[in-house]
Amino acid sequence: GAVVSQHPSWVICKSGTSVKIECRSLDFQATTMFWYRQFPKQSLMLMATSNEGSKATYEQGVEKDKFLINHASLTLSTLTVTSAHPEDSSFYICSAMGLAAYNEQFFGPGTRLTVL
Amino acid sequence: AQSVSQHNHHVILSEAASLELGCNYSYGGTVNLFWYVQYPGQHLQLLLKYFSGDPLVKGIKGFEAEFIKSKFSFNLRKPSVQWSDTAEYFCAVKPPLNRKLIWGLGTSLAVNP
Repeated sequence: GAVVSQHPSWVICKSGTSVKIECRSLDFQATTMFWYRQFPKQSLMLMATSNEGSKATYEQGVEKDKFLINHASLTLSTLTVTSAHPEDSSFYICSAMGLAAYNEQFFGPGTRLTVL
Repeated sequence: AQSVSQHNHHVILSEAASLELGCNYSYGGTVNLFWYVQYPGQHLQLLLKYFSGDPLVKGIKGFEAEFIKSKFSFNLRKPSVQWSDTAEYFCAVKPPLNRKLIWGLGTSLAVNP
C-alpha cells in the first residue's frame, strides 16, 4: 500500500511553454501533498505544501505564480510550471500524507523536467 | 536555527566494511525520524523510521538506526556494506506539530567492490 505515482516521469519542453506534472496517491487519501525540487547530487528542497481543497503554502523564495499547485481531490495534486525556462530544469518530486496520526510521507518516483 | 545535520557528505568504503552515518537535529519535543535512500537514477525509498518505542530501529536491507534523545541523534548503521549500497542517504525529521519534513543535506556513499 501507500503508493504515489507521478506523471510524466520525464518531460522535455521549449522555453516559454507550461508543463503540468501530476501526483496521485493510488491507494490512500492524501490530505496533504508536498512538492519538492531536487538538484543533482543535492538534497530535497521543499517548494510547497498543498492541502486538499485549499490554497498551497509556498516556501520562502518559491514563486507561486511560477509554480501553480492545485490539490483538487484527495488523490490528485498537480504542479504546473508556467512559462518554463532552462533554469527550471530539475527533478520534481511529490509526496503525499494521509489523515492518521504519526503519518509519514510517501514519495512519488519524480519527474525529470528539461527546458530547452 | 532549527535544522538537521548530516556530518558525512561523502563516504567511501570497501565491501564488508561497517557503516555509520551521523544525523543530528535541533528540535525539542517529540519528533519523528526517518532515513531515506536514493539509489542512482531511482526515487527515494524509506529505509527506516522512528516514531516511538524501542530506540533501536531495524530497517530494510540490513540497516538499523539508533535514536539517542539526549544527543538529538539518529545515526544510521550497517555492519557490512555491499557494492549495491552505493547511494545517497538522507536523514529527515518531522518536528512536533508540523507535517513538513526537514531534510539533511545527504550523504553520498560509494562502496568499492
